[in-house]
Amino acid sequence: QKEVEQNSGPLSVPEGAIASLNCTYSDRVSQSFFWYRQYSGKSPELIMSIYSNGDKEDGRFTAQLNKASQYVSLLIRDSQPSDSATYLCAVPRGFQKLVFGTGTRLLVSP
Amino acid sequence: NAGVTQTPKFQVLKTGQSMTLQCAQDMNHNSMYWYRQDPGMGLRLIYYSASEGTTDKGEVPNGYNVSRLNKREFSLRLESAAPSQTSVYFCASSERVAGGSDTQYFGPGTRLTVL
Repeated sequence: QKEVEQNSGPLSVPEGAIASLNCTYSDRVSQSFFWYRQYSGKSPELIMSIYSNGDKEDGRFTAQLNKASQYVSLLIRDSQPSDSATYLCAVPRGFQKLVFGTGTRLLVSP
Repeated sequence: NAGVTQTPKFQVLKTGQSMTLQCAQDMNHNSMYWYRQDPGMGLRLIYYSASEGTTDKGEVPNGYNVSRLNKREFSLRLESAAPSQTSVYFCASSERVAGGSDTQYFGPGTRLTVL
């Protein structure tokens, strides 16, 4: 089992819809989780971090964490074509290191 | 602030050639990292440096060496390049947030092709 698993996609949603991206992880003791966005040909940039069970909202983005089920999700409301990118889930491994999922490609069509 | 900078942006090497990828950060971060990103493989950690003067192997260190020159700079060296090292290389830095975990900030990447 991979430490961090994501569906590679692409996930296609129409403009204005809610995009739901999921990530599962294997290490039960993980305490913090990160979502990075990576546009084609660019570097990853952090969009959300979450440490506690439940939801965390930041603008159109909501991160949801369920430690009992070992998954973390990212919801993007009112999806825009500019949200089309690959979304990477990351989980800490050891001291100050992260392990990344392979990413889910999101396509938002006008 | 420039954040994390990397040079060069693009490089083409022949098998067996050597080169050094440069990385610098101006955020006064203690930790720095080198990743490679290949299609379908995600980001894989090559080496990291938790603080000035220390370096440790990551997931895929074979064929690479690193130097933490000072707090700002962390270089990655390919001594004898192989086609399997064709990839996009990202440098990152991070600082521990009190009560939280580390956010990593990435440089723009170096696209390396080994023929």
